[in-house]
Amino acid sequence: RKEVEQDPGPFNVPEGATVAFNCTYSNSASQSFFWYRQDCRKEPKLLMSVYSSGNEDGRFTAQLNRASQYISLLIRDSKLSDSATYLCVVNDNNNDMRFGAGTRLTVKP
Amino acid sequence: DAGVTQSPTHLIKTRGQQVTLRCSPKSGHDTVSWYQQALGQGPQFIFQYYEEEERQRGNFPDRFSGHQFPNYSSELNVNALLLGDSALYLCASSSGPQLGETQYFGPGTRLLVL
Repeated sequence: RKEVEQDPGPFNVPEGATVAFNCTYSNSASQSFFWYRQDCRKEPKLLMSVYSSGNEDGRFTAQLNRASQYISLLIRDSKLSDSATYLCVVNDNNNDMRFGAGTRLTVKP
Repeated sequence: DAGVTQSPTHLIKTRGQQVTLRCSPKSGHDTVSWYQQALGQGPQFIFQYYEEEERQRGNFPDRFSGHQFPNYSSELNVNALLLGDSALYLCASSSGPQLGETQYFGPGTRLLVL
């Protein structure tokens, strides 16, 4: 089993749609969680951290379920500029970041 | 405020050769981590440097080594290159090695091994 697993993509959605990405992790001792986005041929950039209480940043909402070892990212009112690969990242107690393989999102007009 | 910079941007080598990649961290950052990203995969952690020492290491062979300089910049060295070493090599910096510290990535070096 991979340490961090994400929904297989790609996701192709129309503008304005709501889309959700899921991610599971295997190490129950994991301490911190993030979503990064990576545009084609660019470096990953932090989208948001994920907190136990859940957190929201504009159109983006992240949730963490420690019992199920599950992280989610919800994007509302999708924009063309949201097209990218979304990477789930888990930081275990050894402080090295484990990335999922990423889920590709394409938002179409 | 300068972000993370890496050099070179692209590199072509042949099997068996050695390569050195360079990274300058974001201003104010003192910790550098290196990642390998194969096509279609997420980045894989290679190692992290803080206070000029390797603090953590991922599952990579000893052919991968690194160094951190007093100005916090870092180098990644790969010896005896294999075809499978072809990838995007990413450097990320953070303000300390503390758990959960946000890492900022550089644009990466694309290495092709022929």
